Parts: sequence; structure tokens; C-alpha cells
Amino acid sequence: GAVVSQHPSWVICKSGTSVKIECRSLDFQATTMFWYRQFPKQSLMLMATSNEGSKATYEQGVEKDKFLINHASLTLSTLTVTSAHPEDSSFYICSAREAGIAKNIQYFGAGTRLSVL
Amino acid sequence: SQKIEQNSEALNIQEGKTATLTCNYTNYSPAYLQWYRQDPGRGPVFLLLIRENEKEKRKERLKVTFDTTLKQSLFHITASQPADSATYLCALLEYGNKLVFGAGTILRVKS
Repeated sequence: GAVVSQHPSWVICKSGTSVKIECRSLDFQATTMFWYRQFPKQSLMLMATSNEGSKATYEQGVEKDKFLINHASLTLSTLTVTSAHPEDSSFYICSAREAGIAKNIQYFGAGTRLSVL
Repeated sequence: SQKIEQNSEALNIQEGKTATLTCNYTNYSPAYLQWYRQDPGRGPVFLLLIRENEKEKRKERLKVTFDTTLKQSLFHITASQPADSATYLCALLEYGNKLVFGAGTILRVKS
């Protein structure tokens, strides 16, 4: 299957700093990428959807100024958590949907564990 | 309200047996239903996709059924192995909409 690479896998930062997470589709072009957040023992919650070259669409309740998303190319999307606070500590997972035949399948990165002190 | 329900209790089975996981949904009209596997601290891994007009799909030891009348999907793992132990997520995709996940069911296969 298609591979989605996500970095870093774990980051610890001080409160007030910004953290950038990268998501790359390695062997396919992703017209659409998604960012999820997952709390322990809970389901994945969609934060935003991004299409290459256009602004991201955020889900209700997600602060777009807090979680900046850039989808600069068909293989790269980044999520920046600005001025992170302890309540932003969570597991963030990116996903990419392949253009073309298999476009209804979403492939996921390995996730990023963010711990804000 | 819309709901996707998976067994909240862990499923414990003996190695070699068939594991059956359930996904029920309410107030959705999914075009596709998908199953993913998630290991602790990792992102979900795609397993199988079944379309609304399909009743059953198989892949190696995995089988998925989809009953749009009952609004239910069953996910079977035959000849289960300890390596199959993980959380299994059901996800629905409606036409023109986003993928929505259930909370998942933990499967533990004991040797």
C-alpha cells in the first residue's frame, strides 16, 4: 500500500513555543491531506482538510490561527501548533488520500506525540 | 444523532479461533465502509474497503461483510494469531463527505 511519512514521531516542547509537524506521501500524489487528533482510548477526530495550493478547511471548534496548515505540494503538508499549551498535548496523525483509482482510501502517517510542558 | 458504535469492551480470543468484530451505525448513508488496524502509539493502517453495493469482501485471513439494511458491518479474522492483537477501527465515508471513525475495538489473541 501507499506510504505516508510523518515527522517527528515525538516532540516535547515548552509552553508558548510553536511546533511544526510534517506529513509526506512517499510514493503517490495526494490531492487531499487530513489532520487528525486522538486522545487516549478515543476515536480519531478530524481537525482539518487541506487541498494542495488552497486554504485548509477546518472542522467546527478547531482554531485555524492555532493550528496552521500548509499544503504546499502534492506530497507535503505541514501542521504548525502555534504557542502550544499543555492542553494541546495529544497524538496528531496526518492522512493522505491518493488521487485517481484508489481515491477513497486514506493512508495514515505513524503519528506525532506532542507533549507540552 | 449520528453514531458509529463498536464494542467498547476488549475481545479476548484464543489463537487459531476466528475473531468477529462488529460495527453498527446510525443516521449515516455510507458509500464506503473501511476497516483499519491501529497499534498503540501508531497511526491507523488500512485493511479493507467495502462499497455500499457489496455484501462481502475478503483478503487473505480477513473478511468483511456489509449489511446496509441492518446498518452493520462485521469484520472477521480467521486463524487468529497473537500478532493480530491491536485496536480495529471501523470508518464510514459518505459521498462528498469526510471519513468518520468509530472508537475501535481492542482485540487480544492469546497463545
